[in-house]
This record gives sequence, C-alpha cells and structure tokens, in this order.
Amino acid sequence: DAGITQSPRHKVTETGTPVTLRCHQTENHRYMYWYRQDPGHGLRLIHYSYGVKDTDKGEVSDGYSVSRSKTEDFLLTLESATSSQTSVYFCAISGGWGSSYGYTFGSGTRLTVV
Amino acid sequence: DQQVKQNSPSLSVQEGRISILNCDYTNSMFDYFLWYKKYPAEGPTFLISISSIKDKNEDGRFTVFLNKSAKHLSLHIVPSQPGDSAVYFCAASSIQGAQKLVFGQGTRLTINP
Repeated sequence: DAGITQSPRHKVTETGTPVTLRCHQTENHRYMYWYRQDPGHGLRLIHYSYGVKDTDKGEVSDGYSVSRSKTEDFLLTLESATSSQTSVYFCAISGGWGSSYGYTFGSGTRLTVV
Repeated sequence: DQQVKQNSPSLSVQEGRISILNCDYTNSMFDYFLWYKKYPAEGPTFLISISSIKDKNEDGRFTVFLNKSAKHLSLHIVPSQPGDSAVYFCAASSIQGAQKLVFGQGTRLTINP
C-alpha cells in the first residue's frame, strides 16, 4: 500500500541463520507493528513500536527482536531462524484512533526457513 | 488464549444473497472493533469499524453489528458480489494503551455466481 513498504517480498533462508525484514513508512506515523500470519491462527502480534527507540513485545515475540532508530523504519530480526518461523510477515502502521481506520498494512514478506 | 474468535473457517454464499460473518471476543476491555479484508498475496485492508458506544455501523453494502452483552459482532454484506471473495479478519482493541489490535483466525468467504 502507498506509504508503507516491506522488503524483501520473498525470502528463503537456512535454519540457524539470522534474517532481517524491513518496514518503511512515509506517513510519519507514531505506531508500527510486526505481525505474522499462519493458518488457523490469523494474525499474531510479534513486536510493536510506539516511537523511536520505544518498542515492546507482542504475544509471539520469542526468537524475534526489533529496532526502530528513526520514525520511518522498523526492522524485525530473526536471530537464528527456525522452521517454525516460516510464515508470512506483515508490518502495519497507525497514526492513532482519530482516523478510525486502525492499521494500514504492508504487502507482506513470505519467509521460508529450510 | 484466543481473545478474538472466528469459529467459521470458511463460508460459501451465492451472488446477490447476504453474507454474514461472525466474531466473538472474551476481553471485556475491548472497546473498538474492526473488520479487515484480505486478498491473496496482499496485506489486509480496512473495511469497517465500530466503537462500543454503538451497536450498528453501516457503510454501503457493509454493516457491522455489535452485541456487547454477548461479546459478539457480525459483518453483513448485502448483496454479496464475486469481488467480495476474500479472507475476512475481525479485530479488537482497547482505545487506551498502545493501540494493539488482536485478530481472529479469519473466515474465507467465497461468493458463487
């Protein structure tokens, strides 16, 4: 979607290697989120950020870390990829509830760990 | 513990008829609810929302109903069109706090011609 981009769109990596996914926004929104989508589980929150250098854990944060050194970029790192982290990862941004639109999502990154 | 549940993984409806998608939640602190639509290989897109001070919100063919006492919401699509075929996610949040959305598992809606 315009205003939010994820890279890469697809990645295949080997078990045990570190992987970093990038989310970039041009909306100057305060809040940024990383979710993963898995069959039967819907979308589950991994980590989120409420400002530069301000991050917190979601419900499935084990094995993941994040960083936000500037407003527009939110990085998700899999420290040592495992097959259970094969998933589709979505980044989302939010400017707050005043807009009533909740989140705007990126197009996703399909990650396969072999 | 699944705080937001969509108990129907799939739903098939004939074109022109009404589609009804259901969602239940357990957390009484939730006060804002949204529906998202997702096509394959795309991110979810916002469809319609409702706050807990209302029991109905309408936007064109889409209406969301909220029953707070039953902790249940539903999305009605009338009339259903082939382009409505997608996965629909229900989501809930509390306006207080970090504005985290909790999503249901999703329901795959198929509209048959």
